[in-house]
Amino acid sequence: DAKTTQPPSMDCAEGRAANLPCNHSTISGNEYVYWYRQIHSQGPQYIIHGLKNNETNEMASLIITEDRKSSTLILPHATLRDTAVYYCIVRVFGGAGSYQLTFGKGTKLSVIP
Amino acid sequence: DAEITQSPRHKITETGRQVTLACHQTWNHNNMFWYRQDLGHGLRLIHYSYGVQDTNKGEVSDGYSVSRSNTEDLPLTLESAASSQTSVYFCASSLLAGGNNEQFFGPGTRLTVL
Repeated sequence: DAKTTQPPSMDCAEGRAANLPCNHSTISGNEYVYWYRQIHSQGPQYIIHGLKNNETNEMASLIITEDRKSSTLILPHATLRDTAVYYCIVRVFGGAGSYQLTFGKGTKLSVIP
Repeated sequence: DAEITQSPRHKITETGRQVTLACHQTWNHNNMFWYRQDLGHGLRLIHYSYGVQDTNKGEVSDGYSVSRSNTEDLPLTLESAASSQTSVYFCASSLLAGGNNEQFFGPGTRLTVL
């Protein structure tokens, strides 16, 4: 069963902020929200994760709604190198299943010059 | 620098042949994973290991096997390759137990079964 819903594709102008939404309405209290991306022909790359507070690192910001049913990944100044498929994943904290990542189809972000 | 490598990067084989894909990581991570990626699908988990001598089946394990004799390596074996196993294969590793840690992925192996 799909645990996250993402739009299949989005465009963003170079230099603008890219806001990628993710719906995870059935998320449980012990599940984190993770974001990975996959640039063409490469292995997936970790971006950021969070539980309920907003998070920021050198790559992106993650905004999680108060009810935790949706989140938004923000790339503040998109570049052409950010063109990739972005995956939103919910992941259990602890327990036997917590090591695994379940990838959906993600959002293909195209950054346009 | 520590890293995760896969070999070969490209492989063409024939139906029925045994094929082994190598995965090697130098981070000393306990957890290692094999995924496959096909057009129209996200990555799907094949097998995973939480440590030496530990192996577990993932979502699409039929026709594949793994063994974990040391921390650094998790080879993936296709016992009798089938055309349906033509895919891109990714290996990954992670250090800690629990959900609060990231997986690091290798560059992938593109396998074609004729």
